[in-house]
Amino acid sequence: DTEVTQTPKHLVMGMTNKKSLKCEQHMGHRAMYWYKQKAKKPPELMFVYSYEKLSINESVPSRFSPECPNSSLLNLHLHALQPEDSALYLCASSQDSSGGYEQYFGPGTRLTVT
Amino acid sequence: AQSVTQPDIHITVSEGASLELRCNYSYGATPYLFWYVQSPGQGLQLLLKYFSGDTLVQGIKGFEAEFKRSQSSFNLRKPSVHWSDAAEYFCAVGATPAYSGGYQKVTFGIGTKLQVIP
Repeated sequence: DTEVTQTPKHLVMGMTNKKSLKCEQHMGHRAMYWYKQKAKKPPELMFVYSYEKLSINESVPSRFSPECPNSSLLNLHLHALQPEDSALYLCASSQDSSGGYEQYFGPGTRLTVT
Repeated sequence: AQSVTQPDIHITVSEGASLELRCNYSYGATPYLFWYVQSPGQGLQLLLKYFSGDTLVQGIKGFEAEFKRSQSSFNLRKPSVHWSDAAEYFCAVGATPAYSGGYQKVTFGIGTKLQVIP
C-alpha cells in the first residue's frame, strides 16, 4: 500500500479563520512533507519532518504551523491566511528523509482563501 | 543548488505515437532523479526513479527514462501513447545541500503538459 491520504479535499476559509489540513500514511515512513502548489506551477517544499521532528522549514510564514503528532500523521494549521495563500497543498512521505528515497504524494487539499 | 529544466511547456501527440519528454538537471554530484505525473487537481504519482546502476530505468504505465551523465539529461519515453496519458509531467532532482543537514531536498521542473489527440 503506497497511499497517502489528505483531508479535506477542498477548503474555503476567510482571512480570520483557523483551520487545519490533515495527512496520514500507513507505510511506516519516517519522513513527511508539506508542499504548496500554485496553478500551473511545480510543487514547492514548505516543511520536512523526520522521525516526528521538524527538520526543514523553507522560510514559510508563521501563519502556517505544522505539527506531527505521531509517525503516521501530519497536520498543517492555518491562521490569518491571505488570498495569495490559495493553492493546492500536497502532503508526501518517504521511507527516510536522507537522499535516495522517493516521495509518495497524497491527492492534495485545494485551499481557497476569501 | 540543484535545478531542473523542462524545455517543453506543452506537447501534443497523436494517440499511438511515441513520446519523449525532455529533462535537464544541474547538480554537482550524481543526483537522484524522478519523473512524476499529475492529473488535473490530483496529487503526484511516481512514474520512475534513478539512483544508480543501469542508466535505462523502467517505470509504471509503460514509461522508461534514460540517464545520460554527459548531457545532464533524464528524458522520459513511451513507445505508444494512450489517451489516458494526458496529464502534467514533472521531472525532479533530489539532492542533499549543505544547509539541509543531510536531508534530501527535491526540486521540481516547471512541468510539461501532455495533450493526446485521437
